[in-house]
Amino acid sequence: DGGITQSPKYLFRKEGQNVTLSCEQNLNHDAMYWYRQDPGQGLRLIYYSQIVNDFQKGDIAEGYSVSREKKESFPLTVTSAQKNPTAFYLCASSRDRDRHTQYFGPGTRLTVL
Amino acid sequence: GENVEQHPSTLSVQEGDSAVIKCTYSDSASNYFPWYKQELGKGPQLIIDIRSNVGEKKDQRIAVTLNKTAKHFSLHITETQPEDSAVYFCAASKLGAGTASKLTFGTGTRLQVTL
Repeated sequence: DGGITQSPKYLFRKEGQNVTLSCEQNLNHDAMYWYRQDPGQGLRLIYYSQIVNDFQKGDIAEGYSVSREKKESFPLTVTSAQKNPTAFYLCASSRDRDRHTQYFGPGTRLTVL
Repeated sequence: GENVEQHPSTLSVQEGDSAVIKCTYSDSASNYFPWYKQELGKGPQLIIDIRSNVGEKKDQRIAVTLNKTAKHFSLHITETQPEDSAVYFCAASKLGAGTASKLTFGTGTRLQVTL
C-alpha cells in the first residue's frame, strides 16, 4: 500500500446522503486517481488529477465529485446522484506525468443502505 | 478507447505448477502494461510491468511477455506457492509526456494454488 492511506476502511450511509472518502499520500506524487471496483468488472476510473487544483473526469464520473487543494490529498465525494454507490473505492497515485506506475491505497468499502 | 480482455477469469493450479494469465488490448498505441496482484480486501499491488520496447521481462518466479503484433501480453508464474493465491489484473496505458497515465484494466483472474 506504500504511503497512500484511505479512510475509513468501511463506510455505511443511508440512501440520499452525500459521503466523502479520504485519500492521502506522502509519496510526493503529482498525479492521483480514484477507481471504483465492482465484482467481475475490474477497476474503472472515476476521476484523476495531474497536479494541484486540476482534475479530469474518468470513464464513470457521473454522480461523483473531487477536489485537489493540496498535493497530498484527493478526496472523493459520492453524491446522492450516483445511482449505485455501493462498491469498493480505490485511490492511487503516480510519481509524475512521465512515469506511469500507479500505487494503490488499501481501499474503502462503501455500503449504501 | 482502449479495451483490455483478460482470460481466464478463474485458474486453479497445484502448488509447484506454473500459471499463465493472458490479456489482449485493442489500442495499438498502448505501450505500457503493468500487472497487479490483489489480495482479499486490499488494494492492488504492482508485481511487474513491461514497456513496448521490450518483449519479455522476468523477476524471480514472475515473467511477462508482450507480442505487439498480436496485441497480447501474458503473465507467467512458475513454481506457484499458496501465497500466490489472489486476483491478478492486467492493464494497458499509453505513455506520453504531459499526461497522467490512464490505465485500462482487465476484469481480473482469480488464481487458486492448491496444496
